[in-house]
Amino acid sequence: GENVEQHPSTLSVQEGDSAVIKCTYSDSASNYFPWYKQELGKRPQLIIDIRSNVGEKKDQRIAVTLNKTAKHFSLHITETQPEDSAVYFCAARTSGNTPLVFGKGTRLSVIA
Amino acid sequence: KAGVTQTPRYLIKTRGQQVTLSCSPISGHRSVSWYQQTPGQGLQFLFEYFSETQRNKGNFPGRFSGRQFSNSRSEMNVSTLELGDSALYLCASSLAGTSPSNEQFFGPGTRLTVL
Repeated sequence: GENVEQHPSTLSVQEGDSAVIKCTYSDSASNYFPWYKQELGKRPQLIIDIRSNVGEKKDQRIAVTLNKTAKHFSLHITETQPEDSAVYFCAARTSGNTPLVFGKGTRLSVIA
Repeated sequence: KAGVTQTPRYLIKTRGQQVTLSCSPISGHRSVSWYQQTPGQGLQFLFEYFSETQRNKGNFPGRFSGRQFSNSRSEMNVSTLELGDSALYLCASSLAGTSPSNEQFFGPGTRLTVL
């Protein structure tokens, strides 16, 4: 089955700097890659996603890139702010009938 | 539209007991997935129910089971609790369909502590 590896497990950045979180997946049939943000004590929420027919997607300060050949995708956060501090999870799935497989998460701390 | 709800929010049990957790999906959502969240292990998939049938199952022992009712509400049961079962249990609902980009909406979770 699908396996998703996520790095790093923790990341600290200065406010205003950029943060990059990377994930690799094993199943070449995977074609949907969401990113979830989980603030302390709260539920995970979708922040951005990308499908395999697209190489990059942006939403304000957040962007996701996908390299299908290498089977990896990354989350980029620019101009980080303290409210970006949270745990971020990447995930992958092949179809609506298969489960989302999550990475183990990255704890991002933005230092003011 | 109301979000995904889970009850109870907190539970304390002792080893050997059993527990039942409940999840009410967003109205109109027919798929409910369950995850176990522990520090360092991320979100581990337990199972998914769709139209009252288990559609997918993760790699958890048979002590973990679930079901879904005709109104799409779902329950999960853990029997013979072990200390390692202490975790946050999250459920997520989504629209039915074959599109992989059907967004999953998470509930607030049930924090289970096994003593």
